[in-house]
Formats: sequence, structure tokens, C-alpha cells
Amino acid sequence: QQQVKQSPQSLIVQKGGISIINCAYENTAFDYFPWYQQFPGKGPALLIAIRPDVSEKKEGRFTISFNKSAKQFSLHIMDSQPGDSATYFCAAKGPGGYNKLIFGAGTRLAVHP
Amino acid sequence: DSGVTQTPKHLITATGQRVTLRCSPRSGDLSVYWYQQSLDQGLQFLIQYYNGEERAKGNILERFSAQQFPDLHSELNLSSLELGDSALYFCASSVARDRGADTQYFGPGTRLTVL
Repeated sequence: QQQVKQSPQSLIVQKGGISIINCAYENTAFDYFPWYQQFPGKGPALLIAIRPDVSEKKEGRFTISFNKSAKQFSLHIMDSQPGDSATYFCAAKGPGGYNKLIFGAGTRLAVHP
Repeated sequence: DSGVTQTPKHLITATGQRVTLRCSPRSGDLSVYWYQQSLDQGLQFLIQYYNGEERAKGNILERFSAQQFPDLHSELNLSSLELGDSALYFCASSVARDRGADTQYFGPGTRLTVL
């Protein structure tokens, strides 16, 4: 129940295309769902996050879509750029300020020019 | 720059040895989390401290221990090191009050290589 399943493992997209990464969870107590972006040799950096009371959140070219009934959420990267090439991790956290993040396995995105 | 600092950046040591990794959280953050990232295991939560007290434990080996000091910096101690302990070790911090901020900010990591 603590797992977050992420797919695909790797993704190749052409410049200007849409990158879509999906995650699914089981624990309905999770109430915070962030996406992190990690470049080689760097720590994960928060990209965008959503709570389950909204179905979509958009920040620039990045959008999270959230389906509470299906217990799924996804990251869409519009107009993908070579600079977006990185590993993306979805995560989930239980209620309260003290809970740990449960990470998905990660998706390695390569955007080709 | 997240504001979380970790030292050292790289550490090379031999099997059986003991090392200490250090983390300073962002100013104002009371909670520190340690994560291990290896190629085949992804990001695995190890342990969390809040204002000096242990709050949660994850998949942390008995050979590993951590503490958070009064100035809120934290140290992760790894002993009797094995080849399989080679990984990136990340520290993250958050405000971690009961309500509100959930964002965890990650440091740049310490790359541990056990030979």
C-alpha cells in the first residue's frame, strides 16, 4: 500500500512534443503528490506538486493531472525541450508535516532536437 | 540552489570502514530526511529527524545510524561498509509542521564509493 508505481521507465520525445509520465498509488491516505526533476550528479528538485482536492495544476509547460477515483496522476510536459532531458520522479506523502515521501522508480526522459 | 548543504561531495573508502555524512538544512527547516539512491533501488527513504528527535524510519540498515544536533544539522553514520553501500546519499529538509508546508528540499548529495 505504500508503493508508488511509475511508468514508463524511459521516454524519448522529439523537441516540441508532449512528454507524459504516469504514476499510480494505492494508499488513499496520501494527500500530497509532488514531481521532482533530477539532472545527473544533482539532487532532486521540486518541479510541481498537487493535492487531491484539485484535478489539474499547471505551471508553465508542466501540468499535473490527478484522478482521485483511479488513484492515478500524471505529469505532462508541453513543448518539450532538450533542456528537459532529466530523470523525473513522482512521489506521494501521507497527511501531516512529518511524513516521508514515497518515490516512484523514476522516468529517464530524453528530448531529441 | 536548494539551501540544503551536504558534505563531503564525494567519499571513497574501503569495505569494513566507517564514514560520516553531514547535512545542514535550509534556514528555518526543522525536519531532516535521509535518502539513499542506487541504480537499482531508486530513491529509498532511510530516516527522518524533527527538531532533534527521530520521527520515522525506513529501510535503514542496523549498520547505519543518524542524529540531528541542537543546531539542526544532521549526520548519517555508515559503519562496517560493504560494496553494496555504494550509492548517492541525499539529505532533504522541510519545515514539517503539522499542517501546511510539505515540500522537501534536497541537497546535492554525497556520492559514496566503497572499494
